[in-house]
Amino acid sequence: DQQVKQNSPSLSVQEGRISILNCDYTNSMFDYFLWYKKYPAEGPTFLISISSIKDKNEDGRFTVFLNKSAKHLSLHIVPSQPGDSAVYFCAASEGTSYGKLTFGQGTILTVHP
Amino acid sequence: EPEVTQTPSHQVTQMGQEVILRCVPISNHLYFYWYRQILGQKVEFLVSFYNNEISEKSEIFDDQFSVERPDGSNFTLKIRSTKLEDSAMYFCASGGELTDTQYFGPGTRLTVL
Repeated sequence: DQQVKQNSPSLSVQEGRISILNCDYTNSMFDYFLWYKKYPAEGPTFLISISSIKDKNEDGRFTVFLNKSAKHLSLHIVPSQPGDSAVYFCAASEGTSYGKLTFGQGTILTVHP
Repeated sequence: EPEVTQTPSHQVTQMGQEVILRCVPISNHLYFYWYRQILGQKVEFLVSFYNNEISEKSEIFDDQFSVERPDGSNFTLKIRSTKLEDSAMYFCASGGELTDTQYFGPGTRLTVL
């Protein structure tokens, strides 16, 4: 099941720079997208979401961009901080935030001081 | 801040034994979920529960699995006869109609020997 794909297993960024995490999806029925952050031995923590009626959503240092025609979304973190080092998961659902979530494989972000 | 809690944090069991994983969702949430993550793999949806019944389940959620909300606060996942391949991290999540996400618990690591 490859409906949601994060093609980069890892990303390394210098503190203060921009981190860009990418996600592609194949299911055209997906219309709600979320990014979660996960530390070892913890559950996924919600970061930011976007519905298909928008192409951008911002929350502080985090911005999610959605390109529906390309079935692509990205998460931008500016500026990156060492505490941002974690696994980032992209997830998608059909309809609402309370439908079942389909997750990508995750990208390990490392922010170096 | 309200959070989803799960017990136990780690459960070790013998193949063929029954296990019950417990979750306390956020109190005013109406939607409840179980997901699992086998080591090295994606987070996978198992089941969603709303209004005291299963609203959706995945192919993984076969007759060996059941969920219950025995009282107003707990939400449980039972595996009747565990298999080696059930070894995974099991995450409970909850969400409400006014929330924009599903909130995840810290997980229960199930090890089947």
